[in-house]
Amino acid sequence: AQSVTQLDSHVSVSEGTPVLLRCNYSSSYSPSLFWYVQHPNKGLQLLLKYTSAATLVKGINGFEAEFKKSETSFHLTKPSAHMSDAAEYFCVVNSGGGADGLTFGKGTHLIIQP
Amino acid sequence: NAGVTQTPKFRVLKTGQSMTLLCAQDMNHEYMYWYRQDPGMGLRLIHYSVGEGTTAKGEVPDGYNVSRLKKQNFLLGLESAAPSQTSVYFCASSYTGQGTEAFFGQGTRLTVV
Repeated sequence: AQSVTQLDSHVSVSEGTPVLLRCNYSSSYSPSLFWYVQHPNKGLQLLLKYTSAATLVKGINGFEAEFKKSETSFHLTKPSAHMSDAAEYFCVVNSGGGADGLTFGKGTHLIIQP
Repeated sequence: NAGVTQTPKFRVLKTGQSMTLLCAQDMNHEYMYWYRQDPGMGLRLIHYSVGEGTTAKGEVPDGYNVSRLKKQNFLLGLESAAPSQTSVYFCASSYTGQGTEAFFGQGTRLTVV
């Protein structure tokens, strides 16, 4: 079985300040982990993924995430927020195919203050 | 590259009506999924398919049926729509079940009145 917990339902930061979106996971197997972004009324776009290679993963638009097995965490960060980063972010775990293929967190709504 | 295409994009149904949502992918992916997205719930898996001719139930399958007669298409049916099925529906596909990311369609916003 696998599960994902996104620790904050809403995060608000000022433009130009760092962003931290927190994600903890549980998995019976070595997981693959993903962050997706969803802009209003849009589909989901892949930001980055971890698949057992480097633990620090760089993604698009300046985002990165660090896989920490000891803490079962996969937090998403960005050094400097931009207004265009305002969106819903989903942490996703994948431990295998079938019904356990993709398990989504409930999402974190990122608000960027001018 | 079209990727994953969902039709229709919007639909309003009356309670008890039926409809079919179509998902088409042009990436030769084996795995296809149907999710529903509700506020504060993230995405929940309805049904999935690991290959042509196969389907299986996900987390919230009740009230829905699916078919995968062709590898590139995955259909989601509502036989008798209920207001609880008002949601945004997303189709996704992936090359395999593990380690590879899923590609998503743009979503279908369904309202049942």
